[in-house]
This record gives sequence, C-alpha cells and structure tokens, in this order.
Amino acid sequence: KNQVEQSPQSLIILEGKNCTLQCNYTVSPFSNLRWYKQDTGRGPVSLTIMTFSENTKSNGRYTATLDADTKQSSLHITASQLSDSASYICVVSPNTNAGKSTFGDGTTLTVKP
Amino acid sequence: KAGVTQTPRYLIKTRGQQVTLSCSPISGHRSVSWYQQTPGQGLQFLFEYFSETQRNKGNFPGRFSGRQFSNSRSEMNVSTLELGDSALYLCASSLGVVSETQYFGPGTRLLVL
Repeated sequence: KNQVEQSPQSLIILEGKNCTLQCNYTVSPFSNLRWYKQDTGRGPVSLTIMTFSENTKSNGRYTATLDADTKQSSLHITASQLSDSASYICVVSPNTNAGKSTFGDGTTLTVKP
Repeated sequence: KAGVTQTPRYLIKTRGQQVTLSCSPISGHRSVSWYQQTPGQGLQFLFEYFSETQRNKGNFPGRFSGRQFSNSRSEMNVSTLELGDSALYLCASSLGVVSETQYFGPGTRLLVL
C-alpha cells in the first residue's frame, strides 16, 4: 500500500530559527514529490515539486531535498517568520496522473515571537 | 489569471439532505480533482475529472458523485448526508499533464447537523 509519513506531527519554534520537516514514502512507482503549505481554513499552496532526478529545490526560504534511493524528503525553512505558521503537507505521485497522489497527514508548524 | 474558485464557502446541512458543491478551475486547466479534508483523516482523494470524464476515483461510497462540464467547471454532489461528512472539501485544478502541480481552491466548509 502506498504511504506517505510525515514527522514530526507538530513543531513549535521561535521566530528567526530554522527547522526541518521530514517525509518518508513508500509510493511506487514514483514520479514526483510536492510540498504544500496550508494556512488554517484555506486551500494548500504549492511550495516545491521535484522529480526523481532532482535532489534539491528552493523557493525563497524554503528548500526541499529528495533522496529517491531511501525514499525520503525534507523541507527546510530558514529564518522562520510568524507567517510560516501553517500545516506542511508532503504529496507523492506515481507514474500516472495527479489524481492518484498520496498525501501525508502534514506537519503543523507554529512559529512564536 | 484568476485562481480556483469554490462555492459556497460555507454550508450547513442536516442529516439525510443532499448537497452540491461547485468548483471553477483556472482558465485553461482541464483536470479537476476533489478532496475531503478532516482533522482525523487528512486529505482524502475523492475523484478526478478530465475533459468531462472521471479519470480516477478514490475509496468513497456511491453517495459521493461528481461531474465536469464542457467549460471544465465541476460539481460534486453528496446525497443522504451523514454527520461524518462534515469536512473541508477542496477542489484542485491542473492542466491534466502527468504529474504536474495542482492548484487548490479555498475549499467549502460543510457542517452536517
């Protein structure tokens, strides 16, 4: 069964600090991995998308890494801001189409002043 | 370009009733996917429509149905509502090309009493 596991489930950090969120998956075959940010009560917004041949991709203060051999990805947030408080969702897609994606349960990040 | 829009944004229904939710994708996008999001279950895939045809379907009962119109707008219908159907229903659109970014709408918050 295809699974995506994210850790930690929740995280509290102080403003200005860095943090790293983890995503392990068993989806096979693998086509791409996406990280989304979801603010409370709103739809997810795409942060990064990586194919199996990409090791890292950045979007401002967000940097995602991918190790397709170990089936692990991480999302690193640098110099956190209060607006980074949200749920971060890892999504993995097989070699079919977007509708077959497997979603992780997300990591809830709280940034405190 | 306008983003994905969903109507209504909030809805209150009683058990046994039926509900229809609407989603207008980004102009030019031909794929529309629907998801149910609850605190305990995370994002669960309902179904995907592409060019008016259901291309993928998740593991939901037949009470959940959908359709897509020639202009790519999509509707989702839930009949005989149950308390457990209370959730945030998200719609996402994409061009429909294999494994590319989906853009989510703000969601419809459904409360079943």
